[in-house]
This record gives sequence, C-alpha cells and structure tokens, in this order.
Amino acid sequence: EAGVTQSPTHLIKTRGQQVTLRCSPISGHTSVYWYQQALGLGLQFLLWYDEGEERNRGNFPPRFSGRQFPNYSSELNVNALELEDSALYLCASSFRRRPYGYTFGSGTRLTVV
Amino acid sequence: DAKTTQPTSMDCAEGRAANLPCNHSTISGNEYVYWYRQIHSQGPQYIIHGLKNNETNEMASLIITEDRKSSTLILPHATLRDTAVYYCIVRSLQGAQKLVFGQGTRLTINP
Repeated sequence: EAGVTQSPTHLIKTRGQQVTLRCSPISGHTSVYWYQQALGLGLQFLLWYDEGEERNRGNFPPRFSGRQFPNYSSELNVNALELEDSALYLCASSFRRRPYGYTFGSGTRLTVV
Repeated sequence: DAKTTQPTSMDCAEGRAANLPCNHSTISGNEYVYWYRQIHSQGPQYIIHGLKNNETNEMASLIITEDRKSSTLILPHATLRDTAVYYCIVRSLQGAQKLVFGQGTRLTINP
C-alpha cells in the first residue's frame, strides 16, 4: 500500500512569489491535514479537508489556502511568500471520525529567500 | 493548545526499556490518547493509540492509568533508531478532528 505522497520534496522560492504544494493521501482516506513545521519548532496545524470541504483552519493568514479534489488529493497554496514561511510542510491523511491515527507524508521543505 | 504535558528530554541506554510519561489531566471521556514520534526532519510516525485499556503493538505498549489522567509509552528494547521526538496527543473524534502537537519529549538512546 502506497503511503502519503507529497511533492515536491524541496523547493526554493523568492519572497513575494506564490507556491503550490501537493499531497496524495492513502487510498481510501478521505481526510487530509496540512501542518507547518518551522525549523526547530513544533508542528502547527494549518488546514483540514474532508470530502472536498475545508473543515477546520489553524491560525494562519488567508494567503495560506488550499483545496481537496474529488480523488481526495489536496493542494496547499501560499501566496505572497514571506521569509518566515520557510518550513517543512507536512500532509497527513486519515479516515474521518475513526480512531485511527494519521499517516504523514515525508513533507515538502520550502525555503524562501 | 496542547492538552498534554511531557518531559522535555529523556535518555535511555540501548537495549533497555524506554518509559515515556505523559500527563493529560483534563482528558475527556471521548478523547483518545495517541503517540507519534518524529525522527529528524521526517514526517511524524504513528506509534499507538488507546482509549482506556492498555494497548500493545509491534512497536510499543501504551499504559493508561485507570483515571485516564496520565499514560506511559513503553519501548521494550530501545535501539539507536528509536532516538526521536515523541509526542503524546489527546484527540476527540468529534469537532475539529485535528491532532494538536505539543513540544514532545526528545528521547536519546545511548549506546
């Protein structure tokens, strides 16, 4: 069984640019979660999508947005990149409302210069 | 906000059992206890979860006190590859569904 896949693995962007990160959940998982982990810091919840709808949002500005497609894959978009957006962006998937844990992908390392 | 309290760091000798404590004194009746670990710069890895009974899988054992206000994750025979940050999380299946990560315990396995 394929795990959660994220792309790209690394990328470098310039301040002010826009970026799109992608996530493919485990087959059958309907929920996708996005987290940000800045260097040396903890995981901060960004967004939760389930069945194509945004279900919950963390304390991030509106320039962080995303969507979930009918096949349950998801994109995270970040507009007007700032230096402090440099972080590891992690995607996780799960069955909704089941007591199973999330399965995380390996993340996308974003560097803003 | 994280609802759990964990020691910042712990050390354990290779081959010994590593016992990682977690306090979750405000846990609700419908909240599960989850444990994850994160090896440097990788995505967190699910270890185990439980509601009120003790649980065991191929990776670890989870001991939850009878009042459910604390738990202990046990790695029975720690190896160097178990060096990681371990997160204890409580989560309800209602409402926001998100896992809220605290700072975790940095476990170092020494040879």
